Amino acid sequence: KQEVTQIPAALSVPEGENLVLNCSFTDSAIYNLQWFRQDPGKGLTSLLLIQSSQREQTSGRLNASLDKSSGRSTLYIAASQPGDSATYLCAVKRETSGSRLTFGEGTQLTVNP
Amino acid sequence: EAQVTQNPRYLITVTGKKLTVTCSQNMNHEYMSWYRQDPGLGLRQIYYSMNVEVTDKGDVPEGYKVSRKEKRNFPLILESPSPNQTSLYFCASFPLPFTQGNEQYFGPGTRLTVT
Repeated sequence: KQEVTQIPAALSVPEGENLVLNCSFTDSAIYNLQWFRQDPGKGLTSLLLIQSSQREQTSGRLNASLDKSSGRSTLYIAASQPGDSATYLCAVKRETSGSRLTFGEGTQLTVNP
Repeated sequence: EAQVTQNPRYLITVTGKKLTVTCSQNMNHEYMSWYRQDPGLGLRQIYYSMNVEVTDKGDVPEGYKVSRKEKRNFPLILESPSPNQTSLYFCASFPLPFTQGNEQYFGPGTRLTVT
């Protein structure tokens, strides 16, 4: 059974810092891995999707990497801003699970002005 | 604008009173799904549908029903809600076929409280 773990559960940083969020998964037979952002009272917004054949994806100040063999992904946020404050979730799609996603519990990020 | 909509956004109800949460998507996606999100448990899939009239159980289907009579709509039905179904519910849609580059689109969530 696929399990996804995110560390840390919560993180508070001053504005301007570069930071890394971690995601690990137990079954390396994944199809892809997706990072989401969840704002209070709102739905999930997809940030980046990394296919199993890829090593990383970049979008603006965000960079996500994937090491399938070790079961790890990181989300790097450069020059953090207060508007980055949210919960960040990673989710993996297994090769045999159709489109079912297995989610981690998320990292709650607070960027202080 | 491509989106998944859910209604209602907030609902407080009592044990045993049947309710329906609606979900609609405007992207002509074949695949739709319902998740619930609980503290300490993350998001778990309740039911999913591969196309009209095709539905199947996810990880936590007990106490829920779904229907898929139209491609754009995928309502979640709680015939007899209980307090352990108090949760935040998300509807999602996804284009087929499954390719590595396809992303899931999520609705804004429905916060349900059953007293």
